[in-house]
Amino acid sequence: DAKTTQPNSMESNEEEPVHLPCNHSTISGTDYIHWYRQLPSQGPEYVIHGLTSNVNNRMASLAIAEDRKSSTLILHRATLRDAAVYYCILRNTGNQFYFGTGTSLTVIP
Amino acid sequence: DSGVTQTPKHLITATGQRVTLRCSPRSGDLSVYWYQQSLDQGLQFLIQYYNGEERAKGNILERFSAQQFPDLHSELNLSSLELGDSALYFCASSVEPTNTEAFFGQGTRLTVV
Repeated sequence: DAKTTQPNSMESNEEEPVHLPCNHSTISGTDYIHWYRQLPSQGPEYVIHGLTSNVNNRMASLAIAEDRKSSTLILHRATLRDAAVYYCILRNTGNQFYFGTGTSLTVIP
Repeated sequence: DSGVTQTPKHLITATGQRVTLRCSPRSGDLSVYWYQQSLDQGLQFLIQYYNGEERAKGNILERFSAQQFPDLHSELNLSSLELGDSALYFCASSVEPTNTEAFFGQGTRLTVV
């Protein structure tokens, strides 16, 4: 199974941009990169996904390296509600998706 | 509200017992996924169904089984329960099986005593 590597934790000041990195050096050509987040005591929530090109939606932006071996989730202005565990996931052709340990984001007021 | 409903929200049972967790996917979603989240293991993929058929299998123990019914709801059966089975069990659903976003329920917290 293709695996992802993320920092265990990160901190950000409120209303500042946050860049959450993810390494996935064993990614295959058909793997999509998905990001989910999990707030305390809740189920994971979809954030964004992409294949090769950078993606934007109302929640965040996803920047994918040209070789696809890494990606970065960008929260443009962190709020206290963005404090969560962020998971970078590779979705393979078998349609399974595996969660790693994720990055616990702390937002400082 | 994700639209995915899991019941019960909490379950306390004794070792050796059997329980059934239920999941109703979002209206129109054909794929259902089950995950186990324990403190020391993180989110572990268990199994996926698509339109009633098993689609993918992850780290699901032989004591566990699942099925998806014609009305697309799914049940996860856990038997011969052990203390280590205590965890949050999440169900997720998606429209298609490939590369679409999945919507997660609020989970069932299982405590085995």
